[in-house]
Amino acid sequence: AQRVTQPEKLLSVFKGAPVELKCNYSYSGSPELFWYVQYSRQRLQLLLRHISRESIKGFTADLNKGETSFHLKKPFAQEEDSAMYYCALLSGYSTLTFGKGTMLLVSP
Amino acid sequence: NAGVTQTPKFQVLKTGQSMTLQCAQDMNHNSMYWYRQDPGMGLRLIYYSASEGTTDKGEVPNGYNVSRLNKREFSLRLESAAPSQTSVYFCASRPGTLGYTFGSGTRLTVV
Repeated sequence: AQRVTQPEKLLSVFKGAPVELKCNYSYSGSPELFWYVQYSRQRLQLLLRHISRESIKGFTADLNKGETSFHLKKPFAQEEDSAMYYCALLSGYSTLTFGKGTMLLVSP
Repeated sequence: NAGVTQTPKFQVLKTGQSMTLQCAQDMNHNSMYWYRQDPGMGLRLIYYSASEGTTDKGEVPNGYNVSRLNKREFSLRLESAAPSQTSVYFCASRPGTLGYTFGSGTRLTVV
């Protein structure tokens, strides 16, 4: 069965510091991975897809199949990055399996 | 485009009451999903519909039923609400190959 693990419930950094939100997955097939962001009490928004290899709001994520990881990175955190971040894995039935999420708090 | 619209936004139920959460999308997506979001648990799939006329159970289907009324609408019904169903419910839809588009959620409290 597929599984997504986000080991940190909370990550607290200062503005301007680098950020890395960890995500590891377990899946027997070819993984398709996503990062979603949820700002306070709002809907989830798609941040990144590994297929597109894009950079959104300064965030990047690289799929490492050897380490089964898809960590989200940003070189310089901003206060407006404070939010809940979810890593998600798309299974063969087109359903997303989510990790439990990491709350990112960026302090001034 | 409205995207994915959920109603109601908030609801308080008494234990044993029933209600239906409505979801509609205007993006002509084939697949639709219902998730619940609980603190420390992330999002868990309740039911999904890969296409009009089909529905399948997700990770936590007990206590819920769904109806894919047409391509646009996918409703979630609680027949006899329990306090354990207190949660935020999110509907989502998906085209063939991209990520989900989520609704704004329904915050349900069962007392």
